[in-house]
Amino acid sequence: AQSVTQLGSHVSVSEGALVLLRCNYSSSVPPYLFWYVQYPNQGLQLLLKYTSAATLVKGINGFEAEFKKSETSFHLTKPSAHMSDAAEYFCAVSESGGSNYKLTFGKGTLLTVNP
Amino acid sequence: DAGVIQSPRHEVTEMGQEVTLRCKPISGHNSLFWYRQTMMRGLELLIYFNNNVPIDDSGMPEDRFSAKMPNASFSTLKIQPSEPRDSAVYFCASSLQTDTQYFGPGTRLTVL
Repeated sequence: AQSVTQLGSHVSVSEGALVLLRCNYSSSVPPYLFWYVQYPNQGLQLLLKYTSAATLVKGINGFEAEFKKSETSFHLTKPSAHMSDAAEYFCAVSESGGSNYKLTFGKGTLLTVNP
Repeated sequence: DAGVIQSPRHEVTEMGQEVTLRCKPISGHNSLFWYRQTMMRGLELLIYFNNNVPIDDSGMPEDRFSAKMPNASFSTLKIQPSEPRDSAVYFCASSLQTDTQYFGPGTRLTVL
C-alpha cells in the first residue's frame, strides 16, 4: 500500500521568502511522485512530477522538488514566494510500472503569502 | 483542448433525491477517475475506469453510489438516495495510460 504525509496543513511565508512544503511517502515499489496545486474554486493542476529520471525535478511557476529515496521525501521548494502562489498544494504518489493508475494524495498544505 | 468538463458546477438538492454528476474527459485519454474532496477526509479516489471499464471501485462509499462510462467521452457518477454527508466537491480527472491526471473544475454538491 502507498501513502503520503504532508507535514503542516498550513504554511505562511512573506513575499520574496523561501517556500518549503514537505512531503513524505510510503510505497512498496519505486514510486512516481507528483505535486499538484489547487487555486480557490478550481480543480487540481500539475506542478511537477518525478518518474525515476533526474531526482531534482523542475516544474511550472519556478517550483522544484527533489526526490530523496533514503529519506522517502519529495519536498517542494521555490526560492522566492509571490502573492500569486497562495493556494493549496497536494503531494501524491502512484506505483511505477504495471497497470496501476491510482494516485494517493496527501491531505494538502495551504500556503499563505503575506505582503 | 477544452480540458476535462464537468457539469453541473454546483448542485443543491434535498436528502433522498437522486443526484447525477457528469464528466467529459479530454479527447484521446483512456483513463478516467472520480474523486471526492472534503475538509475532513481530503481527496479520495472513488472509482477509476480504463478503456471505459471500471478497474477499481473500492473507494465507492456504499451502494448508494454508482458510476458508468458508456463511451470514451462521457461518464456519470450517481448518488441515490443522497444524504447530507455526501456534501463535497466531486472531481473528475482523465489521463492517457499512467501519465499525468488532468482534473476538471469540480462539482460542488450540497445535500440539505
